[in-house]
Amino acid sequence: AQSVAQPEDQVNVAEGNPLTVKCTYSVSGNPYLFWYVQYPNRGLQFLLKYITGDNLVKGSYGFEAEFNKSQTSFHLKKPSALVSDSALYFCAVRGDYGGSQGNLIFGKGTKLSVKP
Amino acid sequence: NAGVTQTPKFRVLKTGQSMTLLCAQDMNHEYMYWYRQDPGMGLRLIHYSVGEGTTAKGEVPDGYNVSRLKKQNFLLGLESAAPSQTSVYFCASRGLAGANTGELFFGEGSRLTVL
Repeated sequence: AQSVAQPEDQVNVAEGNPLTVKCTYSVSGNPYLFWYVQYPNRGLQFLLKYITGDNLVKGSYGFEAEFNKSQTSFHLKKPSALVSDSALYFCAVRGDYGGSQGNLIFGKGTKLSVKP
Repeated sequence: NAGVTQTPKFRVLKTGQSMTLLCAQDMNHEYMYWYRQDPGMGLRLIHYSVGEGTTAKGEVPDGYNVSRLKKQNFLLGLESAAPSQTSVYFCASRGLAGANTGELFFGEGSRLTVL
């Protein structure tokens, strides 16, 4: 079965410093990987995805993620964090329900806190 | 463009009461999903639909029912609410163009408390 793991419940970063939010995955076949962000009292917003191709994927709001097949990881990164980046971040993998119309399976989420 | 709209946004129920959450999308999407979000557990799939008139069970379907009578609407029902169903419920949708990529569009959530 497909699954993702986010090993950190919370990541604390100073504004202006680089940030990394970690994600590892377990899939059968080729992985379809995603990052979503959730601001307080809001729904999830799509940030970026890896389907195939370049291992470095660029997304919204200056975020990028690096796909590493040998380490089965898909870490989210940003070169310079902003206070406004503070939110809950979810890694996800395409799941098994519905066959080719698979849902997304989400990790437990990582709370990112960026301090001024 | 409203996207995915959920109603109600908040609801408090007593154990044993019933209620229905409505999800409406105006993007002509084929696929719709209901998730629940609980602290430390991420989002878990309750039920989903791959088209009008079809529904299927997800990871945690017990205690819930769904209907998709119209393409734009996906209803989630609780027949006899239990405190374990206290959660934030999210509806999501995606179109055929997303079949190979999986990008979902989410509503803003419905917070349900069962006393």
